[in-house]
Amino acid sequence: DGGITQSPKYLFRKEGQNVTLSCEQNLNHDAMYWYRQDPGQGLRLIYYSQIVNDFQKGDIAEGYSVSREKKESFPLTVTSAQKNPTAFYLCASSIGQGHPINTEAFFGQGTRLTVV
Amino acid sequence: AQKVTQAQTEISVVEKEDVTLDCVYETRDTTYYLFWYKQPPSGELVFLIRRNSFDEQNEISGRYSWNFQKSTSSFNFTITASQVVDSAVYFCALSVRYGQNFVFGPGTRLSVLP
Repeated sequence: DGGITQSPKYLFRKEGQNVTLSCEQNLNHDAMYWYRQDPGQGLRLIYYSQIVNDFQKGDIAEGYSVSREKKESFPLTVTSAQKNPTAFYLCASSIGQGHPINTEAFFGQGTRLTVV
Repeated sequence: AQKVTQAQTEISVVEKEDVTLDCVYETRDTTYYLFWYKQPPSGELVFLIRRNSFDEQNEISGRYSWNFQKSTSSFNFTITASQVVDSAVYFCALSVRYGQNFVFGPGTRLSVLP
């Protein structure tokens, strides 16, 4: 089935550790996104990528890093510099800005990260 | 810059009541796209509808309907005869043609009580 897969669903991190969240899509989408959601809050954009080997910072990029080496994959690393990483992380993809019509974004099931 | 406002933080209704979720957007682009998503307790965002700026026709899908009015920059969502399964957080979102990403509103938490 086509879609977006995020893993793991739950992740626990010790303070001072880096962790990487996986996001894979088989929709042949050009654009991919990472959002953070805190309890009772909306979605805040961390990073996005419109094309392979290129990505841009979103509104809250500090303490995070990404890579886009393959069209299908857009992993997010939460570094030790992120002071409050406990949150729900959502990955999404869309057809991309190069197409004449913007379609909707498709979302993965999310990763719930907790610092212990 | 683009902005989406959902003024209703939380709404509670009793089952079978109708409920309308408000969405107001801001953009200077003439070509843009509006979306509604549902986020059930499981967390995944479920796409409900996309509307293009050049198509102001209202749409009905079962118990769901959407009212798009460019004159007031609004894209409201109505659930008719609400059900407990409609309980979720609903997000309105905006993207512009050739834009880089999606802008989401803060969401409205809908609780439908039996």
